[in-house]
Amino acid sequence: QVQLEESGPGLMQPSETLSLTCTVSGFSLTSNGVGWVRQPLGKGLVWMGTIWAGGSTNYNSAVQSRLSISRDTSKSQVFLKMNSLQPEDTGTYYCARVPFDYWGQGVMVTVSS
Amino acid sequence: DIVMTQGALPNPVPSGESASITCQSSKSLLHSNGKTYLNWYLQRPGQSPQLLIYWMSTRASGVSDRFSGSGSGTDFTLKISSVEAEDVGVYYCQQFLEYPLTFGSGTKLEIK
Repeated sequence: QVQLEESGPGLMQPSETLSLTCTVSGFSLTSNGVGWVRQPLGKGLVWMGTIWAGGSTNYNSAVQSRLSISRDTSKSQVFLKMNSLQPEDTGTYYCARVPFDYWGQGVMVTVSS
Repeated sequence: DIVMTQGALPNPVPSGESASITCQSSKSLLHSNGKTYLNWYLQRPGQSPQLLIYWMSTRASGVSDRFSGSGSGTDFTLKISSVEAEDVGVYYCQQFLEYPLTFGSGTKLEIK
């Protein structure tokens, strides 16, 4: 069945670069895109970006200058990299299969000195 | 950016009653292809969001027929008939007509 699982460090320092991995199963990254959504603690959902089945990407302009989404189709993995982290980047990061019909369980990232 | 504005519920809602959640978009989500680019999600406490409704009114696979979506180009409603304990959580609408994709701020449902 379709599954997505996020992984990455839980605690980051300000100004560092965040690297998250979304490992998928049950579908091919060349058939479906994957999006990343962030949720600050106790708050709502914010779309960050999507990598499409063809490999192209779209980013939220609010983080576009700091964000990069890529993939390794052979490993069924999608990567999120975001630099210049600030405390306001703290939250749970989810990956989801486009059309956002399946979601991972999320990974909590805290940015603090 | 398209702004999504959600209404509140008169919580708690008595079990077995119906509940309607409203969502308004700052721009029409009706595409020239006739489809309306609106999704509804439920996020239960401690869980990931779950897709309930896509294209404004199509139920996602496995979703109870107690959930129904309706609306126009800018005003939308998610109706839950006969609410149950498992319906507790926060409901989000989302537009996927334009980038950036945007979500409403969420509507919390509590059951009495």
